[in-house]
Amino acid sequence: GENVEQHPSTLSVQEGDSAVIKCTYSDSASNYFPWYKQELGKGPQLIIDIRSNVGEKKDQRIAVTLNKTAKHFSLHITETQPEDSAVYFCAASRGGGSQGNLIFGKGTKLSVKP
Amino acid sequence: NAGVTQTPKFQVLKTGQSMTLQCAQDMNHEYMSWYRQDPGMGLRLIHYSVGAGITDQGEVPNGYNVSRSTTEDFPLRLLSAAPSQTSVYFCASSYSTAGSNTEAFFGQGTRLTVV
Repeated sequence: GENVEQHPSTLSVQEGDSAVIKCTYSDSASNYFPWYKQELGKGPQLIIDIRSNVGEKKDQRIAVTLNKTAKHFSLHITETQPEDSAVYFCAASRGGGSQGNLIFGKGTKLSVKP
Repeated sequence: NAGVTQTPKFQVLKTGQSMTLQCAQDMNHEYMSWYRQDPGMGLRLIHYSVGAGITDQGEVPNGYNVSRSTTEDFPLRLLSAAPSQTSVYFCASSYSTAGSNTEAFFGQGTRLTVV
């Protein structure tokens, strides 16, 4: 089955710096790669996602890149702010129905120091 | 629009007790799932359902039962609670088009402690 590895497990940056979180996946049939942000005491919330037919997607300060050949994808946050501090999870899935089960990485705790 | 609602938010059980974690969604999503979150382990899939009357096991199903009698509700039952089931439980729902997934919406979680 699918296996998703996420690095680093913790990341500390200064406000205004960029942050990069990387994930690798094992199943070449995976075609959907979402990123979730989880704040303390809350459920995960989608911040950006990318499908296998796209190499890069951007939404304001957040971008995701996908390299299908190498089977890895990355989250880039620019101009970080203290409110970006949270745990971030990457995930992968193969498609709809029962194939749509999301397999998550173990998470990255991002701390943005003012 | 409530999204995904989980109850209770907190629960303490004694070993051997049973209970049901409730999950309801009002988005008419056909796909619902239960995850458990443990420190350093990410989110692990317990059970999922692709529609009313259809359920299947995920990565860590032992000790849990589910049923899906309606599109809206997907309760998770702990048959005989064990300390190893101490965790935070999340319910999620989404819809999928043919061959493609969409955003999964998560509830606020249930923090369960088994003593």
